[in-house]
Amino acid sequence: DTGVSQNPRHKITKRGQNVTFRCDPISEHNRLYWYRQTLGQGPEFLTYFQNEAQLEKSRLLSDRFSAERPKGSFSTLEIQRTEQGDSAMYLCASSLIGSTGELFFGEGSRLTVL
Amino acid sequence: DQQVKQNSPSLSVQEGRISILNCDYTNSMFDYFLWYKKYPAEGPTFLISISSIKDKNEDGRFTVFLNKSAKHLSLHIVPSQPGDSAVYFCAASVSADSWGKLQFGAGTQVVVTP
Repeated sequence: DTGVSQNPRHKITKRGQNVTFRCDPISEHNRLYWYRQTLGQGPEFLTYFQNEAQLEKSRLLSDRFSAERPKGSFSTLEIQRTEQGDSAMYLCASSLIGSTGELFFGEGSRLTVL
Repeated sequence: DQQVKQNSPSLSVQEGRISILNCDYTNSMFDYFLWYKKYPAEGPTFLISISSIKDKNEDGRFTVFLNKSAKHLSLHIVPSQPGDSAVYFCAASVSADSWGKLQFGAGTQVVVTP
């Protein structure tokens, strides 16, 4: 029984570099979410996909952020020209359409921008 | 704007006693509420939920109470056990938007002492 898998678990990068995170959801789940969590705060919604369609993006998701889910399976979140304010835990979650809000979260990818 | 608030950042309780965690919200459109539990280095895991058509939902040692007029919900854990030591997040959604687009509170760190 595999849950939501995220890679890498931890990424340290210099300001200005690009980073990409990958999320593999639970295989039968057709919805996939990205959240961001900073220290002392709860997760904040960034974007979500239903199959391969990106249905909503938060205003938190600046132009430097892009997410894809090309075949409706795994997803990537890319951050271009990273800034120190991007340092956070990036959480991926998945669910089935019709489920009542219960999301299955991965362990997260921690980004540190120096 | 913080639409879901957990005003107690921490709670210490003795093993066997009741833990009461509180959560307030401001958006009257929220119609589904959830509690998630998070251990260090893990993603949040779903604990219990409640729809706005109910005022109480119980699952084993966990009970969630919803007071819509006060825009307040609480989570009761009885009896508290050492394994309950974790961060608890309250979350809310507008089901017509997306079940998985959750607004989280900042969390309450619970420590259960022997």
